Amino acid sequence: KNQVEQSPQSLIILEGKNCTLQCNYTVSPFSNLRWYKQDTGRGPVSLTIMTFSENTKSNGRYTATLDADTKQSSLHITASQLSDSASYICVVSDPAGTALIFGKGTTLSVSS
Amino acid sequence: GAGVSQTPSNKVTEKGKYVELRCDPISGHTALYWYRQSLGQGPEFLIYFQGTGAADDSGLPNDRFFAVRPEGSVSTLKIQRTERGDSAVYLCASSLKAGQNYNEQFFGPGTRLTVL
Repeated sequence: KNQVEQSPQSLIILEGKNCTLQCNYTVSPFSNLRWYKQDTGRGPVSLTIMTFSENTKSNGRYTATLDADTKQSSLHITASQLSDSASYICVVSDPAGTALIFGKGTTLSVSS
Repeated sequence: GAGVSQTPSNKVTEKGKYVELRCDPISGHTALYWYRQSLGQGPEFLIYFQGTGAADDSGLPNDRFFAVRPEGSVSTLKIQRTERGDSAVYLCASSLKAGQNYNEQFFGPGTRLTVL
């Protein structure tokens, strides 16, 4: 069973709209939780990193939240742009902070 | 270049053949990681190096896979007797140092391996 589950699997929104992606995890204990953006044919790029003691972290139009009690995280994207079209992957780091455990990702398509 | 580079970008081989995939990490990064990403899935951890030594190879699927990093910089992932199920994108990442809370991992573009 995948230790990091994401929803929805895919999402289509209009340019300028907001959206929220969800992540539930069972990895415990963990070192930190990350959100990555992966464009087609490219490697993942880090958006945010949060330790278990942090509950929100922003990076421009991206805001991630973390509830360590319920083991849930979300990534909110505001004022979406066409360039936001990508796969967004939730990642939990093992307690040693080395190996990353990836979710399957949410594929976001932003249309004009 | 300033980022992680991987060669080749694409590799097509026949079942049973041997392949080598190369990763050039960011200069000065002591930790190097290999991941495998199958279609529609997130990357899966294979192995990581701290310097020249493999600190954790628990993700390698079987003994057909092994990786080296002889001088603590460039790494090569080697796959013997390739099988069709080995077809995937192999991602490499590097970080300044492993085992720290915020060890940002920077990923290369990946090598897409296709085994016919």
